[in-house]
Amino acid sequence: GQNIDQPTEMTATEGAIVQINCTYQTSGFNGLFWYQQHAGEAPTFLSYNVLDGLEEKGRFSSFLSRSKGYSYLLLKELQMKDSASYLCAVLDSNYQLIWGAGTKLIIKP
Amino acid sequence: NAGVTQTPKFRVLKTGQSMTLLCAQDMNHEYMYWYRQDPGMGLRLIHYSVGEGTTAKGEVPDGYNVSRLKKQNFLLGLESAAPSQTSVYFCASKPPSPGTGGEVNEQFFGPGTRLTVL
Repeated sequence: GQNIDQPTEMTATEGAIVQINCTYQTSGFNGLFWYQQHAGEAPTFLSYNVLDGLEEKGRFSSFLSRSKGYSYLLLKELQMKDSASYLCAVLDSNYQLIWGAGTKLIIKP
Repeated sequence: NAGVTQTPKFRVLKTGQSMTLLCAQDMNHEYMYWYRQDPGMGLRLIHYSVGEGTTAKGEVPDGYNVSRLKKQNFLLGLESAAPSQTSVYFCASKPPSPGTGGEVNEQFFGPGTRLTVL
């Protein structure tokens, strides 16, 4: 079966750094997405990785290791507005997105 | 541009009633998707469409039907609603991938429809 695992909830302090991990087992791999979803709102795109390595985009970075079936999203200089759920999704061999359940990130002052 | 819009935003149904959820996008995207999102679970694909006049089943299609008569609209129908269909429904769209460099276009989501079936 296909499976994507990420922690259910994480807590971090404003101004700090947090790393959200995602491990996956899917039938095929055509890339991995990270989305941000604020409570009661739609998911919005953060990043896409298809090759191994780190992609940096402002305060957010995303890392991929295809051999380990592993990715992480790194958020730096945390702000209160970063409180949200972060969704990991893998594009499988049929080019369908398989979604993790999401990690709820709580930022404390 | 409005992006992806969904109608209605909220709805309460009784078991056995029917309804249609409307998704509209003004970005001229070929691909459109219907997902449901339940607590503690990832988004699950119900049905999708790769172009006007075409539809296909996703992971959880039972109890739902769809139609894509116009490129900009994707309708999701519930013929006989059940309490298990209580969920938040998201529509998404995306253009075809550019086909170079391994890049894939991301999906753009609508604001969601909260459906409760009593």
